Amino acid sequence: EVQLVESGGGLVQPGRSLKLSCLASGFTFSNYGMNWIRQAPGKGLEWVASISSSSSYIYYADTVKGRFTISRDNAKNTLYLQMTSLRSEDTALYYCAREVYYGLKGVMDAWGQGASVTVSS
Amino acid sequence: DVQMTQSPSYLAASPGESVFISCKASKSISNYLAWYQQKPGEANKLLIYSGSTLQSGTPSRFSGSGSGTDFTLTIRNLEPEDFAVYYCQQYYEKPLTFGSGTKLEIK
Repeated sequence: EVQLVESGGGLVQPGRSLKLSCLASGFTFSNYGMNWIRQAPGKGLEWVASISSSSSYIYYADTVKGRFTISRDNAKNTLYLQMTSLRSEDTALYYCAREVYYGLKGVMDAWGQGASVTVSS
Repeated sequence: DVQMTQSPSYLAASPGESVFISCKASKSISNYLAWYQQKPGEANKLLIYSGSTLQSGTPSRFSGSGSGTDFTLTIRNLEPEDFAVYYCQQYYEKPLTFGSGTKLEIK
């Protein structure tokens, strides 16, 4: 069974940093691209960042570019999101999601349950 | 960026009825359109990809149609477990973008 479990969330002050982790199991992690998606309280889904299976290709949303860093450790089956210079508008539930290719482009076929990040003084 | 306009934002229906959710892209995305279901306490579920292909495990009462800029999610013969929030998402290009969601509630 495919499982994605996020951790590392919490309450953090504006301007500080936080690192999220996503532990994958039930599939060969190193074969799949991965994504982070977030959802602010009461709002919709917002894509944050993507990383290819070998970390060769990395993409960010403009709202986090220069502040967040996506990375992965295939030996540890773990995806990361390093978040710096956090703002109140970064408050959200952060999901990791696996990307599978059906044809030429990837779609997110498995999601974790999310890690909550609250940015507040 | 590709903007995804989803409607309606809220829908009330009774079990057994059929509902239709629309999703419009600001430019052609071919058929690179996915539909997701979100329920409290559960992982988000991929229902449909490539505009109309059911993900393994998705009940046949769900169907998707469309290509280019206009897409529709149809749910026929609603079951109690279908009442949830639904999102469309384009994966034609980065940044990946989602519709604003449709909350389907029991009438």
